[in-house]
Amino acid sequence: KNQVEQSPQSLIILEGKNCTLQCNYTVSPFSNLRWYKQDTGRGPVSLTIMTFSENTKSNGRYTATLDADTKQSSLHITASQLSDSASYICVVSARTAGNKLTFGGGTRVLVKP
Amino acid sequence: DAGVTQSPTHLIKTRGQHVTLRCSPISGHKSVSWYQQVLGQGPQFIFQYYEKEERGRGNFPDRFSARQFPNYSSELNVNALLLGDSALYLCASSFGQGALGYTFGSGTRLTVV
Repeated sequence: KNQVEQSPQSLIILEGKNCTLQCNYTVSPFSNLRWYKQDTGRGPVSLTIMTFSENTKSNGRYTATLDADTKQSSLHITASQLSDSASYICVVSARTAGNKLTFGGGTRVLVKP
Repeated sequence: DAGVTQSPTHLIKTRGQHVTLRCSPISGHKSVSWYQQVLGQGPQFIFQYYEKEERGRGNFPDRFSARQFPNYSSELNVNALLLGDSALYLCASSFGQGALGYTFGSGTRLTVV
């Protein structure tokens, strides 16, 4: 069964500090992995998309890594800002008809001043 | 260029009633997928439509149905509403059935009382 597990479930960090979110997956055959940022009550917004051959991708202060061998990904937030408070969702797509998406449960990040 | 638009943004219904949610994809996108996101959890796949045909269905009861129109907009219908149907319903569009570029709408918040 295709699964995506994220850790931690939630974390609190001080403004200006860095943090790293983890994503482990068992989706097969692997197509791509995406990180989304979701503000409360809003739709997810794409941060990064990585295919099998990519092991790192940045989007401003967000840097995602992918290890396709160990089926792990991380999202690093640098110099956090209050606006980074949101849920971060890891989504893995299988290379099957329709490229179905499997969502992780998300990590809720709260940035405090 | 407008993104994915969903309507209504919020909705309150009574148990047993029926609801119709609407989604307009990004111009040029031919695939629409529907997701249910219960508070505090990741989105769960409901349906995918591509070129007006159902291409995927998640593990949801027959009370859930959907369709896609010739202009690629889509409706999600839920009959005999239950309290457990209360959730954020997300629509995502992409150009092709298995495209990388999924874009989510802001969602419809459905509350069943």
